[in-house]
Amino acid sequence: QVQLVQSGTEVRKPGASVKVSCKTSGYTFSDYTIHWVRQASGQGLEWMGWIHTGNGNAVYSQKFQGRVTLTRDTSTSTTYMQLSSLTSEDTAIYLCAREAVNGFGSGVVWLDPWGQGTLVTISS
Amino acid sequence: QSVLTQPPSVSGAPGQRVTISCTGSGADIGAGFDVHWYQQLPGRVPKVLIYNNNNRPSGVPDRFSGSRSGTSASLAISGLQPEDEGDYYCHSYDATLHGMFGGGTKLTVL
Repeated sequence: QVQLVQSGTEVRKPGASVKVSCKTSGYTFSDYTIHWVRQASGQGLEWMGWIHTGNGNAVYSQKFQGRVTLTRDTSTSTTYMQLSSLTSEDTAIYLCAREAVNGFGSGVVWLDPWGQGTLVTISS
Repeated sequence: QSVLTQPPSVSGAPGQRVTISCTGSGADIGAGFDVHWYQQLPGRVPKVLIYNNNNRPSGVPDRFSGSRSGTSASLAISGLQPEDEGDYYCHSYDATLHGMFGGGTKLTVL
């Protein structure tokens, strides 16, 4: 079955960077776009961007432009989200999610399934 | 970037029907981009409830239904059950292929 398994909890100091991984299995990795979404405690879902796992092209939310980088490693079917210049406001659970279907172009379809989430805590 | 607006909370008694609205703009929902709905139960990751405005994935009860009109969309839940209590999010895109979520609606079953 399709699975997205994320890396474990991270703790960083303000100003640092963090890189979270999302390892996929159960399907052809390069056929489906992966999105990243974050959720601060008690808050809503916030879309960060997506990466086309076939060609590596990425689209980022304007809010995170310049601070977030999405990459992929096709040899390990893994997508990475790196966020830099961290502040306490970046403390959140970071989630990867796969577009549910392919063939319609990236950035139009619903997300399913989702990874289990990675807690990133920023604290001095 | 576009923002989708949802009511912060809705509530209803068991068996009743509630609706959750999702208001966008001419740059997203009004431009014809489909709306998807997710249910997030406490401590869980989001789960798709409705895709492409009004389609239910297999396994989602027909108590859940969706619609889209103009710059808005709605999620209706009939026959409310205690296990429906949680957060609900709408999701769409704009012409620059940027995604967006509504702020979320907390459903309380009284």
